[in-house]
Amino acid sequence: RKEVEQDPGPFNVPEGATVAFNCTYSNSASQSFFWYRQDCRKEPKLLMSVYSSGNEDGRFTAQLNRASQYISLLIRDSKLSDSATYLCVVNPLGGYNKLIFGAGTRLAVHP
Amino acid sequence: ETGVTQTPRHLVMGMTNKKSLKCEQHLGHNAMYWYKQSAKKPLELMFVYSLEERVENNSVPSRFSPECPNSSHLFLHLHTLQPEDSALYLCASSQVRGGANYGYTFGSGTRLTVV
Repeated sequence: RKEVEQDPGPFNVPEGATVAFNCTYSNSASQSFFWYRQDCRKEPKLLMSVYSSGNEDGRFTAQLNRASQYISLLIRDSKLSDSATYLCVVNPLGGYNKLIFGAGTRLAVHP
Repeated sequence: ETGVTQTPRHLVMGMTNKKSLKCEQHLGHNAMYWYKQSAKKPLELMFVYSLEERVENNSVPSRFSPECPNSSHLFLHLHTLQPEDSALYLCASSQVRGGANYGYTFGSGTRLTVV
């Protein structure tokens, strides 16, 4: 089983839509969680950290369910500029020096 | 200059060449990393340096040789590469404190083509 699994997509949605991405991780003792965004041929950039209580940043909401080992990202009112690949990232226990990246979920927002 | 800077941005090299990738971070972070990203594949961790000491080497072939002379600089020395080594090579830095990693900042990457 992969350490971090994501649906590769692509998710094709119209502007203004709400879209949700899910991610599962295999190491139950993982302790930090993040969503990164990667544009085509660019480096990944931190979108937001994910906290147990859930957190929101504008149109973006991240949730963590430790019992199910599941992380989600919700994007409301999608913009064309949201088109990118979204990477689910986990910091495993005992591997504090490294982050494990999922393969990413591709989002394409169309007019 | 701020953030994480990688040079060169693009590199084309023959299989018998020797070249080096350079990474510099201006964030005061205490850990640095090399990742490889091939087309349609997830990021692959190559090397981890914590406080200038290599703490992880993920079974990377010896034709890749990292060097971390201080906490701000990281190099990846390349020698006798193969065409399948063509990829985007990303450097990252992070602050690790109390056993937790506070997330990476990536450089823009070096797009390497081996001919």
